[in-house]
Amino acid sequence: EADIYQTPRYLVIGTGKKITLECSQTMGHDKMYWYQQDPGMELHLIHYSYGVNSTEKGDLSSESTVSRIRTEHFPLTLESARPSHTSQYLCASSPRGASGSREQYFGPGTRLTVT
Amino acid sequence: GQQVMQIPQYQHVQEGEDFTTYCNSSTTLSNIQWYKQRPGGHPVFLIQLVKSGEVKKQKRLTFQFGEAKKNSSLHITATQTTDVGTYFCAGRMNTGFQKLVFGTGTRLLVSP
Repeated sequence: EADIYQTPRYLVIGTGKKITLECSQTMGHDKMYWYQQDPGMELHLIHYSYGVNSTEKGDLSSESTVSRIRTEHFPLTLESARPSHTSQYLCASSPRGASGSREQYFGPGTRLTVT
Repeated sequence: GQQVMQIPQYQHVQEGEDFTTYCNSSTTLSNIQWYKQRPGGHPVFLIQLVKSGEVKKQKRLTFQFGEAKKNSSLHITATQTTDVGTYFCAGRMNTGFQKLVFGTGTRLLVSP
């Protein structure tokens, strides 16, 4: 089992609040990702990082931001939460590999509810 | 945009029956991965297929990558209740970052 952690696991918060979802991995992986997943649905990539000081937006338009100051840490921040942000957020990491083709290891996820 | 579709969306089988999910991409893939997500859990990597026409087996699970590298399938022989979950394929695109695009998923329910 991979060592990738997310906190909090569950969060209920009011509209307009600023929140940060934490993600850490202890495997020394270069690449990290944030996905958004509604219940029973597919995963949508919202942010990714090649390594320290590298961040890119994914396919799904998101009002969140990310940072990658340390290899092991990839937090996601929502400046002003809205009910449309209610979802599960999954963090993942993968090691460097030939042509980038390595499996992704997922954290347990954060279930966010914005009221 | 790049899409990866899976069928069926949902299947309910009796324990011991076989199960197959199909994955189709709108574009040619460099490789394809399969993940399993248990109810309430997170996706867990199962396998990666790279070569055209490749077939790999893991006990009762058989994975296949199409000749044109645009489709794939997962077949489970004699399902067990422990097979319950959602199975996602994830196609690695040939362009730029070679991002992984997850399929729409097939939810499998197995009754004892």
